[in-house]
Amino acid sequence: EPEVTQTPSHQVTQMGQEVILRCVPISNHLYFYWYRQILGQKVEFLVSFYNNEISEKSEIFDDQFSVERPDGSNFTLKIRSTKLEDSAMYFCASSEISGTDQPQHFGDGTRLSIL
Amino acid sequence: GEDVEQSLFLSVREGDSSVINCTYTDSSSTYLYWYKQEPGAGLQLLTYIFSNMDMKQDQRLTVLLNKKDKHLSLRIADTQTGDSAIYFCAETPGGGYKLSFGAGTTVTVRA
Repeated sequence: EPEVTQTPSHQVTQMGQEVILRCVPISNHLYFYWYRQILGQKVEFLVSFYNNEISEKSEIFDDQFSVERPDGSNFTLKIRSTKLEDSAMYFCASSEISGTDQPQHFGDGTRLSIL
Repeated sequence: GEDVEQSLFLSVREGDSSVINCTYTDSSSTYLYWYKQEPGAGLQLLTYIFSNMDMKQDQRLTVLLNKKDKHLSLRIADTQTGDSAIYFCAETPGGGYKLSFGAGTTVTVRA
């Protein structure tokens, strides 16, 4: 069964550094998402992306965050200048049509640790 | 309330049925979802139900939806040790794209 893949599985970064988290969505999917889960807290929506632009973003997704689909397969989340509070598990998801018509399939996540 | 609510813990004996309950917030949520998260792993889609349905059955899983009370439940029949995980309920508020998750119910299956 096709799956969403994320790399790396664990990223350790110094505070203030830029970090790029990578995702390869399922190949025929058109909608892409990033979520995060701070340890012990809920999974929170960050951003959705369709047709090379952001469809929706949450309050968490401020100017320090950006997303990009640099080629036909990858979908990336960049954090420009990381803060301690960015430490979390980041999940990428994709869906075939939209989140309401087709379910979102998640990757295994990237654990981001900010030192 | 503002949040999707779930009880935090459930302990069940192997072979018994598990019932995980969820109260969601937005009556315009078109679909409601159940995801499973095993330790160190991602979110695995278990099942989902369209908001105009009352029930959906898929092998050992039964989803019940009470739209009037905004209550969703997941029943796992013949619970096995491999069912030990965190189970998240999620809605699509406003019928939009994003998923809004509950805090998750940790299910522990004991022998």
